[in-house]
Amino acid sequence: IAGITQAPTSQILAAGRRMTLRCTQDMRHNAMYWYRQDLGLGLRLIHYSNTAGTTGKGEVPDGYSVSRANTDDFPLTLASAVPSQTSVYFCASSSVTGNEQFFGPGTRLTVL
Amino acid sequence: DQQVKQNSPSLSVQEGRISILNCDYTNSMFDYFLWYKKYPAEGPTFLISISSIKDKNEDGRFTVFLNKSAKHLSLHIVPSQPGDSAVYFCAATYSGNTGKLIFGQGTTLQVKP
Repeated sequence: IAGITQAPTSQILAAGRRMTLRCTQDMRHNAMYWYRQDLGLGLRLIHYSNTAGTTGKGEVPDGYSVSRANTDDFPLTLASAVPSQTSVYFCASSSVTGNEQFFGPGTRLTVL
Repeated sequence: DQQVKQNSPSLSVQEGRISILNCDYTNSMFDYFLWYKKYPAEGPTFLISISSIKDKNEDGRFTVFLNKSAKHLSLHIVPSQPGDSAVYFCAATYSGNTGKLIFGQGTTLQVKP
């Protein structure tokens, strides 16, 4: 593994189903982030974690939850998916002192 | 409330010419600005950044200019190459924001051969 990996690459999901998007980094970065990218809106922060064991809400947290059990993994869960959560989701990480964030390749999620 | 705005959704330039991408912000607390480049089906990659204590930062063909009084920054690419065709996002943050970035909507740059 080099950098950040995300799984799955893409997913089609029925509304009301539960879904977990996975994110793993091997850079030993303390901070991790989840964004969604929507046309005309850019990237919007969903949740973040500054260090293992802590999480915080971003701009658009409703309908999503995260956990940070260890440094490397930062899964994003949709408890009951809705069509408005159709988007491309990006995971990112950064060192605690750095502003530059490194992004994963993204997960394209379609909720029908 | 869009704190970081990229008002031009798209830009088309000829190979070899200058590309100028613009970004405006409203939050006076922002003190660090970044540009990211994104190709289709890939994650954004960091391109260049600038601190508010500077008004210019240069890295090869890429230069970012910051005008704090106008709350405006721009990315200049000279000379533009077809491989520069991508979506460009500007982003901003401030000390004490624990690294959280606020992104603009993005500008799609097309460089024609």
